Amino acid sequence: NAGVTQTPKFQVLKTGQSMTLQCAQDMNHEYMSWYRQDPGMGLRLIHYSVGAGITDQGEVPNGYNVSRSTTEDFPLRLLSAAPSQTSVYFCASSYRVQGLYEQYFGPGTRLTVT
Amino acid sequence: KNQVEQSPQSLIILEGKNCTLQCNYTVSPFSNLRWYKQDTGRGPVSLTIMTFSENTKSNGRYTATLDADTKQSSLHITASQLSDSASYICVVSASRSANNLFFGTGTRLTVIP
Repeated sequence: NAGVTQTPKFQVLKTGQSMTLQCAQDMNHEYMSWYRQDPGMGLRLIHYSVGAGITDQGEVPNGYNVSRSTTEDFPLRLLSAAPSQTSVYFCASSYRVQGLYEQYFGPGTRLTVT
Repeated sequence: KNQVEQSPQSLIILEGKNCTLQCNYTVSPFSNLRWYKQDTGRGPVSLTIMTFSENTKSNGRYTATLDADTKQSSLHITASQLSDSASYICVVSASRSANNLFFGTGTRLTVIP
């Protein structure tokens, strides 16, 4: 298994540009989520999905869209990039074991918005 | 307010030495507490998950403790290795769902030869 894969690994955008961060998992996990990690702050949840066709907002959803058409893929779209969206983005997939969710993170995408 | 605080922010130790990282939380209700290891430029990797009824859990040279009464946890690393250099993140869950997680800011550990 490749686990959770993310592309691209690095990206530089200009303010106002849009782009899609890709995330895929091959473990057949129902639950997937997107986080951002900023210096001096804990990871913050952007959006999550409990299964194909179902998405919901997390703590910091503004400026981001998601969709989940398949179990495997969970892309994150930046509609109009802003410097405040400069961050490292992590995708995670989770499965339930003994009543708890075991979470697997991707390698991250480092995004810089100028 | 639900918060997770970790100390110290950073730590430097000699290879072969032991160390203990601390995590205090105010998350309520409490479901479980996790410790993750995050290598530079990589995603976090789970080390341990503990529920309310567990007060110790080990994963190789890593031993996590939990005191649910005082809302404190620690991660003890024994006989440190250079590969232990990483950030260690404490995460507290307020429910059994996967979206109700509160992340600490991490402790940056550097192991030097």
